[in-house]
Amino acid sequence: AQKITQTQPGMFVQEKEAVTLDCTYDTSDQSYGLFWYKQPSSGEMIFLIYQGSYDEQNATEGRYSLNFQKARKSANLVISASQLGDSAMYFCAISPGFKTIFGAGTRLFVKA
Amino acid sequence: DGGITQSPKYLFRKEGQNVTLSCEQNLNHDAMYWYRQDPGQGLRLIYYSQIVNDFQKGDIAEGYSVSREKKESFPLTVTSAQKNPTAFYLCASGTPGLAGTYNEQFFGPGTRLTVL
Repeated sequence: AQKITQTQPGMFVQEKEAVTLDCTYDTSDQSYGLFWYKQPSSGEMIFLIYQGSYDEQNATEGRYSLNFQKARKSANLVISASQLGDSAMYFCAISPGFKTIFGAGTRLFVKA
Repeated sequence: DGGITQSPKYLFRKEGQNVTLSCEQNLNHDAMYWYRQDPGQGLRLIYYSQIVNDFQKGDIAEGYSVSREKKESFPLTVTSAQKNPTAFYLCASGTPGLAGTYNEQFFGPGTRLTVL
């Protein structure tokens, strides 16, 4: 069975600083995708970044990068130059096939 | 614009009544999903559909039913058998990726259901 663990229920970061949100996963599949989504207080889920299990380079999308350590089964999200609008819930997810399994989320608070 | 619409945004129902949540997508995606989210928690899969006229139970299907008669539409019915239906419901769609995986999912704005 697949599992996603996000150990940080809440995180604080100063505006303009970088922050790392932790994510570890467990799967016996060799081929899978890892995702990060952002959920603002409005409730919508916004896709941020994707990492394929066979991708050798870490994924980057603007201010978001994914620190992928396959041997450790870790897929941490790094947000550089935090902005007040980054305050939200962040979910890590794994998709070894059709179904996607989500973690419990980390709430990020960006301080001015 | 392409996307997923869910209606209504807020829904109130009396206990014991069935209620149907709408989900429509114009992204031409084969796969569609329904998730439930309780306060402060992650998403749990209720039902999913890979193609028209086919759907599968997710992790918490009891008390829910779906249909997939059209590619664009995947309505969810919350029946009176669902013991605690008050929650935030999210619909999503997606496409196959590489090597058996799936690409990112696109989500609708959600429906907040409150059962009184």
